[in-house]
Amino acid sequence: NAGVTQTPKFQVLKTGQSMTLQCAQDMNHNSMYWYRQDPGMGLRLIYYSASEGTTDKGEVPNGYNVSRLNKREFSLRLESAAPSQTSVYFCASSASGGDTGELFFGEGSRLTVL
Amino acid sequence: AQRVTQPEKLLSVFKGAPVELKCNYSYSGSPELFWYVQYSRQRLQLLLRHISRESIKGFTADLNKGETSFHLKKPFAQEEDSAMYYCALKLQGGSEKLVFGKGMKLTVNP
Repeated sequence: NAGVTQTPKFQVLKTGQSMTLQCAQDMNHNSMYWYRQDPGMGLRLIYYSASEGTTDKGEVPNGYNVSRLNKREFSLRLESAAPSQTSVYFCASSASGGDTGELFFGEGSRLTVL
Repeated sequence: AQRVTQPEKLLSVFKGAPVELKCNYSYSGSPELFWYVQYSRQRLQLLLRHISRESIKGFTADLNKGETSFHLKKPFAQEEDSAMYYCALKLQGGSEKLVFGKGMKLTVNP
């Protein structure tokens, strides 16, 4: 009953370091998403993948890259972390084609960039 | 441009009081709106969708296209309703791409 699993849950980086956030879902969903959540800003879409093999930019893609490794996995990479990327990152998935509007979220990854 | 506005960041009420969490949207297409909820130490999850016209945990929300609003209401709040609430707008297209409001923290006091 895992749903959407994100790793790591916490990470502290220094400015300029790189890291990858991993996300996997076991619900056979086609679409996957990466959001960031900042106080007073709500959730903002970074990148999404409508289906395996495709990725598209969301509202705030700068400074990030993504890889849809297979249907289950969607990773988010910060090549050169900046303090402005301090945030809580959420991965989500959905069964696109159902038009339900329901996203299933992971528990979040709290990233601090010093 | 598409936008979801939740004008209030915080709302504190006593148990049994009515609550209304406001949400307004701006969208040129046909709107599909949702309320998501995040309870303490739990994942963000769907509460209700306008198209279903359902009542979940005593909450209802009516889409008012004239006022471009989708306010969430509950006649008698319970302590377990304390949470962060996000209004979201689904963009047209092939995936469930949602634009979220900034969220509102509801606290229900005993």
